Amino acid sequence: DAGVIQSPRHEVTEMGQEVTLRCKPISGHNSLFWYRQTMMRGLELLIYFNNNVPIDDSGMPEDRFSAKMPNASFSTLKIQPSEPRDSAVYFCASSPPGTGDYGYTFGSGTRLTVV
Amino acid sequence: RKEVEQDPGPFNVPEGATVAFNCTYSNSASQSFFWYRQDCRKEPKLLMSVYSSGNEDGRFTAQLNRASQYISLLIRDSKLSDSATYLCVVNIGLASGTYKYIFGTGTRLKVLA
Repeated sequence: DAGVIQSPRHEVTEMGQEVTLRCKPISGHNSLFWYRQTMMRGLELLIYFNNNVPIDDSGMPEDRFSAKMPNASFSTLKIQPSEPRDSAVYFCASSPPGTGDYGYTFGSGTRLTVV
Repeated sequence: RKEVEQDPGPFNVPEGATVAFNCTYSNSASQSFFWYRQDCRKEPKLLMSVYSSGNEDGRFTAQLNRASQYISLLIRDSKLSDSATYLCVVNIGLASGTYKYIFGTGTRLKVLA
């Protein structure tokens, strides 16, 4: 299994530009999570999909952030317009069907720098 | 009060030492628990689940105390390669029938030669 695949690995963009992060979960996993990690705030859950449906988006910072999961094998997180305070590592994770008793598998992350 | 709290450390210990981390959680409805390990500039990886009866995996032992709402991780005979950040994770069931994980901010361990 290739694991959770994220792209790009690194992204440097100018303030005001649109940024799109991509994630392919593990085949057969029906829950997908987007996290953001910074030194100051640790790992923060942004949004959670179950069977492609957003379940909890209370962690999405503001309207500049949006996420979609058009099918079971693909999700995007978009920031428009980007700001320097969005600089962080963005992780995608997936987990199999159930009650969450088996843990998540994380992708390698996208390191975003907004200048 | 944070939902999951950990001592950020760092814990600096010599090779071969035994070290223990604790983590407290506030939601009594938490249903499962984990320890994750995160190396510098890498993604978190599942280290072990934490069962009510306690569980052991080689040099690592995890325990759960539901009454006091804390979990612990014990590392015996620590190795240089154990240097990492250890994240405590709590699984909380939601009213929708789904769940979410809450991560602690992590405890940094540095094993010294």
